[in-house]
Amino acid sequence: DVVVTQTPPTLSATIGQSVSISCRSSQSLLDGDGDSYLNWLLQRPGQSPQLLIYSVSNLESGVPNRFSGSGSETDFTLKISGVEAEDLGVYYCMQATHAPLTFGGGTKVELK
Amino acid sequence: EVQLVESGGGLVQPGRSLKLSCAASRFTFSDYNMAWVRQAPKKGLEWVATISYDGSNTYYRDSVKGRFTISRDNAKSILYLQMDSLRSEDTATYYCARHQLGALDYWGQGVMVTVSS
Repeated sequence: DVVVTQTPPTLSATIGQSVSISCRSSQSLLDGDGDSYLNWLLQRPGQSPQLLIYSVSNLESGVPNRFSGSGSETDFTLKISGVEAEDLGVYYCMQATHAPLTFGGGTKVELK
Repeated sequence: EVQLVESGGGLVQPGRSLKLSCAASRFTFSDYNMAWVRQAPKKGLEWVATISYDGSNTYYRDSVKGRFTISRDNAKSILYLQMDSLRSEDTATYYCARHQLGALDYWGQGVMVTVSS
């Protein structure tokens, strides 16, 4: 199985601060069709996960553009440009290029 | 907006069975692959199973193969997860999710399954 490693496990931020989360996979996520199926999800406290970004850098409908994704092959980054209170929770990266689907361990974003 | 509503969870003894359901609405259910993902208490997310849009193909994580069965009723827009020979390590919140273009784009609210004597 592809191992997906997220860092840091916890991130303390102030409102308005820009932060980044890293996701590293044990294999390249580049598919034969040229796409990389690396997604970012947010799970707010007491809620189910929601999709933020798909295929590395595509913003899901309704997601604020302060969220952005980048990366290639095995290294990917989620950036939040100006954290807002509603952004607090646990962020997960997930790869769907290789079966089975695997998730990173999560990054908890909390208020400093 | 897309709705996914899970049901059927509860407390069950080790070795017993439970069947989860996920009622889908506000999209054409038969057009999409569907998945079950679980989350043990205070832990991360773990994919469990996926079924193709027409039910012809199913995929499972190794730890549930031979014990869990994913199925669907496209006429009723319902996804199922039959869980047999349950173990304590199957204790988790189970989410159904729509699988599109390499992403899980909509998730249900989840249903809790507790396996304990």
